[in-house]
Amino acid sequence: QKEVEQNSGPLSVPEGAIASLNCTYSDRGSQSFFWYRQYSGKSPELIMSIYSNGDKEDGRFTAQLNKASQYVSLLIRDSQPSDSATYLCAVRAGNNRKLIWGLGTSLAVNP
Amino acid sequence: GAVVSQHPSRVICKSGTSVKIECRSLDFQATTMFWYRQFPKKSLMLMATSNEGSKATYEQGVEKDKFLINHASLTLSTLTVTSAHPEDSSFYICSARGGLALDEQYFGPGTRLTVT
Repeated sequence: QKEVEQNSGPLSVPEGAIASLNCTYSDRGSQSFFWYRQYSGKSPELIMSIYSNGDKEDGRFTAQLNKASQYVSLLIRDSQPSDSATYLCAVRAGNNRKLIWGLGTSLAVNP
Repeated sequence: GAVVSQHPSRVICKSGTSVKIECRSLDFQATTMFWYRQFPKKSLMLMATSNEGSKATYEQGVEKDKFLINHASLTLSTLTVTSAHPEDSSFYICSARGGLALDEQYFGPGTRLTVT
């Protein structure tokens, strides 16, 4: 069974620190990787997509992909209290149209 | 870009009635739309995948006769919860894929359904 695993947290970091969120996946045929942010009571919001090994940066966010080790991570630099949310990792394998979702990591950024 | 709307945002209905939820992609053509439900503090659960003009593909355990999905155009999909029961109360969220970033899914704001 294809799985995506995340540490449920909560991950607590002080304001201004770097938050590091990790995700591992079981299907080696996975092609596309996504990070979503979900505030309580709201729907998920796409933060980053990454498709090839290495780093991809967008503002304070950096996604890192290592297909050999089957993990993808999200770094949030200069964390702000407004970053406090649940971060969902999603993976799409091959030609499959649907995403496989992790259970999410709860992040708390303390002022 | 990549805006998805969902209507209504909240609905309360009585047991036995049906409720229709609309999902629209506002600035792109959605080749594929997805319907999820989410219980409090739980992860997303995919209910079904639909492509424009074809029948939806339901996930295992989802009753296709209870959750009717219609994807009539490249910008509109609807989910109808038929003969609703209190256990159908949940947060229903649609997402759409298409446009320039063909592989990315964008979510609507969700519909909170309460069945009394």
